[in-house]
Amino acid sequence: DAGITQSPRHKVTETGTPVTLRCHQTENHRYMYWYRQDPGHGLRLIHYSYGVKDTDKGEVSDGYSVSRSKTEDFLLTLESATSSQTSVYFCATRRDRGYSNQPQHFGDGTRLSIL
Amino acid sequence: AQKITQTQPGMFVQEKEAVTLDCTYDTSDPSYGLFWYKQPSSGEMIFLIYQGSYDQQNATEGRYSLNFQKARKSANLVISASQLGDSAMYFCAMRETSGSRLTFGEGTQLTVNP
Repeated sequence: DAGITQSPRHKVTETGTPVTLRCHQTENHRYMYWYRQDPGHGLRLIHYSYGVKDTDKGEVSDGYSVSRSKTEDFLLTLESATSSQTSVYFCATRRDRGYSNQPQHFGDGTRLSIL
Repeated sequence: AQKITQTQPGMFVQEKEAVTLDCTYDTSDPSYGLFWYKQPSSGEMIFLIYQGSYDQQNATEGRYSLNFQKARKSANLVISASQLGDSAMYFCAMRETSGSRLTFGEGTQLTVNP
């Protein structure tokens, strides 16, 4: 296992509130990712990071922001949560880009419900 | 843009039989990698097997093998001797070597019957 811890594991909140999800890794992997999983859509990439303070958007980035101030932590923030952001969120990590056959390793997910 | 298609929303197999889960992909990059993940009902994502676009042989990992047909752009997962614990959602994913993102298919729900 890549030693990935997501927190919280479950959260229920109200529309309009800010929410921050944390991903912590102990493997010193360079790449970190945030996905959301919804029925019928598989996993869709929200944002990813290729180093400290280096981030880029994925296919469903609207309404989300991220920050990576140190290698081991990658934060996902919903500035003003909406019901459409109710989902299961997964963090993943991967070694350096040079290792092309290296899979992404996933955390156990965060179930977020926005009422 | 890269795309992954899994056309089987659900599959059923009898215990101890083999099953094939289909995956087709589309990319213009000549260098890419294909991955299969398993997601049991407990929710975690488990990496199963990898196939590189330049690999000469089909990948195998224990009871899992990948039937890679490059000209047809397919990368089907074969599970031999199915077990009850194989019941799960299975995702096919692709990463172009020029990039760092994985693109996932919508998944296939496999049910193994006793």
